[in-house]
Amino acid sequence: NAGVMQNPRHLVRRRGQEARLRCSPMKGHSHVYWYRQLPEEGLKFMVYLQKENIIDESGMPKERFSAEFPKEGPSILRIQQVVRGDSAAYFCASSPQGTKETQYFGPGTRLLVL
Amino acid sequence: GESVGLHLPTLSVQEGDNSIINCAYSNSASDYFIWYKQESGKGPQFIIDIRSNMDKRQGQRVTVLLNKTVKHLSLQIAATQPGDSAVYFCAEAPQGGSEKLVFGKGTKLTVNP
Repeated sequence: NAGVMQNPRHLVRRRGQEARLRCSPMKGHSHVYWYRQLPEEGLKFMVYLQKENIIDESGMPKERFSAEFPKEGPSILRIQQVVRGDSAAYFCASSPQGTKETQYFGPGTRLLVL
Repeated sequence: GESVGLHLPTLSVQEGDNSIINCAYSNSASDYFIWYKQESGKGPQFIIDIRSNMDKRQGQRVTVLLNKTVKHLSLQIAATQPGDSAVYFCAEAPQGGSEKLVFGKGTKLTVNP
């Protein structure tokens, strides 16, 4: 049973470009969460999605950031017009039910903005 | 407000010793807690969880203790091994509403051979 998969593992972008991060949840999981981690810090919640619905986006910046989890395919975290401050590790987690269930994390995407 | 913190940022132990990693939380309404282990360059790995209706839960070589009176959580690792070296995070899930986890900053555990 494959775990949570994320790609790319590393992404380099220049300021002003777009970054697209993909997450495929564990088989049977329909709840996806995105977190951001800066060096030497804990993870910060960004957004929580179920299939085709955003449930909680309270941790996501209002501008330039968007997330989706379509009926078919992976969840996408999209960052438009990236700035250097967006450089971080972005982790996706999934859970089967979403009600105080353990969240299992993927390996992360490390975004570097030059 | 919601915040989770750790008493010690680093912990160094000898191989074979027991390790205790502590965590303080401020949201008394949180009812679910998880410990994660994160190795360098990897994603957080689930270790053990506990719900607020319990005081203690044991896994393989690990025990989590929850003291709701003082809002304190601890992770005990028995017979610590070099492979246990990592950063350990506690996370809490506030009662009701969103399922987001609130993470502390982490404790770096180093196991000396």
